[in-house]
Amino acid sequence: RKEVEQDPGPFNVPEGATVAFNCTYSNSASQSFFWYRQDCRKEPKLLMSVYSSGNEDGRFTAQLNRASQYISLLIRDSKLSDSATYLCVVNMDNNNDMRFGAGTRLTVKP
Amino acid sequence: DADVTQTPRNRITKTGKRIMLECSQTKGHDRMYWYRQDPGLGLRLIYYSFDVKDINKGEISDGYSVSRQAQAKFSLSLESAIPNQTALYFCATSDPLEGDYEQYFGPGTRLTVT
Repeated sequence: RKEVEQDPGPFNVPEGATVAFNCTYSNSASQSFFWYRQDCRKEPKLLMSVYSSGNEDGRFTAQLNRASQYISLLIRDSKLSDSATYLCVVNMDNNNDMRFGAGTRLTVKP
Repeated sequence: DADVTQTPRNRITKTGKRIMLECSQTKGHDRMYWYRQDPGLGLRLIYYSFDVKDINKGEISDGYSVSRQAQAKFSLSLESAIPNQTALYFCATSDPLEGDYEQYFGPGTRLTVT
Protein backbone atom coordinates (compact mmCIF):
# COMPACT_ATOMS: atom_id res chain seq x y z
CA ARG A 1 0.00 0.00 0.00
CA LYS A 2 1.32 3.44 -0.89
CA GLU A 3 1.97 5.75 2.04
CA VAL A 4 -0.16 8.51 0.53
CA GLU A 5 -2.80 7.69 -2.07
CA GLN A 6 -4.89 9.97 -4.20
CA ASP A 7 -7.36 9.46 -7.01
CA PRO A 8 -5.31 10.63 -10.03
CA GLY A 9 -8.36 11.93 -11.86
CA PRO A 10 -8.60 13.77 -14.10
CA PHE A 11 -11.58 15.61 -12.74
CA ASN A 12 -13.21 17.68 -15.47
CA VAL A 13 -15.82 20.07 -14.09
CA PRO A 14 -17.67 23.14 -15.36
CA GLU A 15 -17.08 26.56 -13.92
CA GLY A 16 -19.07 27.07 -10.75
CA ALA A 17 -19.11 23.40 -9.81
CA THR A 18 -18.16 22.01 -6.44
CA VAL A 19 -15.49 19.33 -6.49
CA ALA A 20 -13.95 17.23 -3.74
CA PHE A 21 -10.71 15.28 -3.56
CA ASN A 22 -9.80 12.63 -1.04
CA CYS A 23 -6.45 11.35 0.08
CA THR A 24 -5.64 8.40 2.32
CA TYR A 25 -2.47 7.85 4.31
CA SER A 26 -1.02 4.72 5.84
CA ASN A 27 0.87 5.95 8.91
CA SER A 28 -1.55 6.46 11.77
CA ALA A 29 1.13 8.40 13.69
CA SER A 30 1.25 11.16 11.07
CA GLN A 31 0.74 14.57 12.59
CA SER A 32 0.69 17.21 9.87
CA PHE A 33 -1.20 17.33 6.61
CA PHE A 34 -1.20 19.69 3.67
CA TRP A 35 -2.61 20.35 0.26
CA TYR A 36 -0.23 21.72 -2.34
CA ARG A 37 -1.13 22.98 -5.78
CA GLN A 38 1.06 22.33 -8.80
CA ASP A 39 0.48 24.01 -12.15
CA CYS A 40 1.67 22.29 -15.30
CA ARG A 41 5.48 22.25 -15.47
CA LYS A 42 5.75 24.42 -12.36
CA GLU A 43 6.82 23.85 -8.79
CA PRO A 44 4.37 22.82 -6.06
CA LYS A 45 3.10 25.58 -3.80
CA LEU A 46 1.33 25.30 -0.48
CA LEU A 47 -2.41 25.74 -0.83
CA MET A 48 -3.38 25.10 2.77
CA SER A 49 -2.51 23.14 5.86
CA VAL A 50 -5.13 20.75 7.23
CA TYR A 51 -6.04 21.01 10.87
CA SER A 52 -7.85 18.49 13.02
CA SER A 53 -10.90 20.67 13.32
CA GLY A 54 -11.05 21.32 9.60
CA ASN A 55 -10.29 24.67 8.08
CA GLU A 56 -11.54 26.94 5.38
CA ASP A 57 -9.84 29.49 3.17
CA GLY A 58 -12.28 31.24 0.89
CA ARG A 59 -13.68 28.69 -1.54
CA PHE A 60 -11.40 25.94 -0.22
CA THR A 61 -12.20 23.67 2.71
CA ALA A 62 -9.87 21.02 4.07
CA GLN A 63 -10.84 18.31 6.51
CA LEU A 64 -9.01 15.58 8.37
CA ASN A 65 -10.46 12.28 9.52
CA ARG A 66 -7.86 10.62 11.73
CA ALA A 67 -9.96 7.55 12.46
CA SER A 68 -10.23 6.69 8.79
CA GLN A 69 -6.83 8.17 7.92
CA TYR A 70 -7.95 10.45 5.14
CA ILE A 71 -7.96 14.10 4.33
CA SER A 72 -10.15 15.92 1.87
CA LEU A 73 -10.17 19.12 -0.11
CA LEU A 74 -13.41 20.74 -1.23
CA ILE A 75 -13.43 23.49 -3.83
CA ARG A 76 -16.63 25.46 -4.20
CA ASP A 77 -17.60 27.68 -7.13
CA SER A 78 -14.73 26.39 -9.28
CA LYS A 79 -12.86 28.92 -11.40
CA LEU A 80 -10.92 28.32 -14.59
CA SER A 81 -7.82 29.32 -12.64
CA ASP A 82 -8.32 26.38 -10.26
CA SER A 83 -7.19 24.03 -13.03
CA ALA A 84 -4.06 22.37 -11.66
CA THR A 85 -2.83 19.22 -9.96
CA TYR A 86 -3.54 19.03 -6.25
CA LEU A 87 -0.99 17.18 -4.13
CA CYS A 88 -1.81 15.65 -0.78
CA VAL A 89 1.19 15.81 1.56
CA VAL A 90 1.61 14.03 4.88
CA ASN A 91 4.31 14.71 7.44
CA MET A 92 5.04 11.16 8.56
CA ASP A 93 6.99 11.80 11.73
CA ASN A 94 6.32 15.42 12.63
CA ASN A 95 9.86 16.23 11.64
CA ASN A 96 10.49 16.67 7.99
CA ASP A 97 9.65 13.31 6.47
CA MET A 98 7.06 14.62 4.05
CA ARG A 99 5.39 12.15 1.74
CA PHE A 100 3.64 13.35 -1.35
CA GLY A 101 0.72 11.79 -3.10
CA ALA A 102 0.92 11.47 -6.87
CA GLY A 103 -1.63 14.24 -7.26
CA THR A 104 -5.17 14.71 -8.55
CA ARG A 105 -5.55 16.62 -11.76
CA LEU A 106 -8.41 19.10 -12.02
CA THR A 107 -9.58 20.83 -15.18
CA VAL A 108 -12.27 23.47 -14.88
CA LYS A 109 -14.00 24.20 -18.18
CA PRO A 110 -16.04 27.21 -19.26
CA ASP B 1 13.99 37.52 -7.82
CA ALA B 2 13.00 33.97 -6.92
CA ASP B 3 13.75 32.83 -3.40
CA VAL B 4 14.84 29.33 -4.52
CA THR B 5 16.69 28.95 -7.78
CA GLN B 6 17.90 25.88 -9.60
CA THR B 7 20.45 25.47 -12.35
CA PRO B 8 20.31 24.21 -14.98
CA ARG B 9 16.61 24.30 -15.78
CA ASN B 10 16.92 21.65 -18.44
CA ARG B 11 19.67 19.15 -19.13
CA ILE B 12 20.15 16.28 -21.52
CA THR B 13 23.02 13.97 -20.76
CA LYS B 14 24.26 10.55 -21.76
CA THR B 15 24.36 7.36 -19.72
CA GLY B 16 27.46 7.17 -17.55
CA LYS B 17 28.11 10.91 -17.36
CA ARG B 18 28.50 12.74 -14.08
CA ILE B 19 26.09 15.61 -13.62
CA MET B 20 25.51 18.17 -10.90
CA LEU B 21 22.30 20.05 -10.23
CA GLU B 22 22.58 23.17 -8.15
CA CYS B 23 20.19 24.90 -5.80
CA SER B 24 20.49 28.29 -4.15
CA GLN B 25 18.13 30.04 -1.75
CA THR B 26 17.81 33.52 -0.32
CA LYS B 27 15.20 32.66 2.29
CA GLY B 28 17.76 32.09 5.03
CA HIS B 29 16.34 28.64 5.76
CA ASP B 30 18.52 25.98 7.34
CA ARG B 31 16.63 23.03 5.89
CA MET B 32 17.00 22.08 2.26
CA TYR B 33 15.75 19.10 0.25
CA TRP B 34 16.09 17.38 -3.09
CA TYR B 35 13.11 15.59 -4.63
CA ARG B 36 12.45 13.90 -7.91
CA GLN B 37 9.05 13.79 -9.57
CA ASP B 38 7.97 11.06 -11.94
CA PRO B 39 4.57 10.75 -13.62
CA GLY B 40 2.16 8.78 -11.45
CA LEU B 41 4.55 8.60 -8.51
CA GLY B 42 4.50 12.03 -6.96
CA LEU B 43 7.53 13.66 -5.43
CA ARG B 44 10.03 11.41 -3.69
CA LEU B 45 12.70 12.63 -1.30
CA ILE B 46 16.29 11.96 -2.35
CA TYR B 47 18.32 13.76 0.34
CA TYR B 48 17.75 16.43 2.91
CA SER B 49 19.93 18.65 5.04
CA PHE B 50 19.00 20.35 8.29
CA ASP B 51 22.13 22.48 8.32
CA VAL B 52 25.54 22.62 6.69
CA LYS B 53 26.89 19.75 8.79
CA ASP B 54 23.79 17.57 8.68
CA ILE B 55 23.01 15.50 5.59
CA ASN B 56 20.46 12.70 5.53
CA LYS B 57 19.33 10.12 3.03
CA GLY B 58 15.77 10.20 1.90
CA GLU B 59 13.51 7.61 0.39
CA ILE B 60 15.51 7.06 -2.82
CA SER B 61 19.15 8.09 -2.33
CA ASP B 62 20.85 5.29 -4.27
CA GLY B 63 22.74 6.64 -7.27
CA TYR B 64 22.78 10.19 -5.89
CA SER B 65 25.05 12.24 -3.65
CA VAL B 66 24.74 15.76 -2.26
CA SER B 67 26.89 18.57 -0.98
CA ARG B 68 25.82 21.41 1.29
CA GLN B 69 28.43 24.03 0.49
CA ALA B 70 26.82 26.76 2.56
CA GLN B 71 23.50 27.51 4.21
CA ALA B 72 22.26 28.87 0.91
CA LYS B 73 23.56 26.16 -1.43
CA PHE B 74 22.69 22.49 -1.78
CA SER B 75 23.81 20.54 -4.83
CA LEU B 76 22.77 17.13 -6.09
CA SER B 77 25.13 14.89 -8.07
CA LEU B 78 24.51 11.89 -10.24
CA GLU B 79 27.88 10.15 -10.32
CA SER B 80 27.05 7.97 -13.31
CA ALA B 81 23.72 8.88 -14.82
CA ILE B 82 21.34 6.16 -16.01
CA PRO B 83 18.15 6.48 -18.07
CA ASN B 84 15.79 5.75 -15.15
CA GLN B 85 17.10 8.92 -13.49
CA THR B 86 15.26 10.87 -16.16
CA ALA B 87 12.84 12.97 -14.11
CA LEU B 88 11.93 16.44 -12.91
CA TYR B 89 14.10 17.40 -9.93
CA PHE B 90 13.02 19.92 -7.33
CA CYS B 91 14.96 21.59 -4.58
CA ALA B 92 13.04 22.89 -1.58
CA THR B 93 13.65 24.74 1.67
CA SER B 94 11.81 25.02 4.95
CA ASP B 95 12.08 26.67 8.32
CA PRO B 96 10.68 24.70 11.26
CA LEU B 97 10.23 27.93 13.18
CA GLU B 98 7.50 28.78 10.70
CA GLY B 99 5.45 26.10 12.39
CA ASP B 100 3.69 24.40 9.54
CA TYR B 101 6.75 22.96 7.86
CA GLU B 102 5.76 24.63 4.59
CA GLN B 103 8.27 23.79 1.91
CA TYR B 104 9.28 26.34 -0.71
CA PHE B 105 10.23 24.82 -4.02
CA GLY B 106 12.56 25.92 -6.77
CA PRO B 107 11.34 25.93 -10.37
CA GLY B 108 12.70 22.46 -11.08
CA THR B 109 15.33 20.93 -13.33
CA ARG B 110 14.17 18.66 -16.12
CA LEU B 111 16.84 16.01 -16.61
CA THR B 112 16.90 13.57 -19.49
CA VAL B 113 19.43 10.73 -19.54
CA THR B 114 19.78 9.09 -22.95
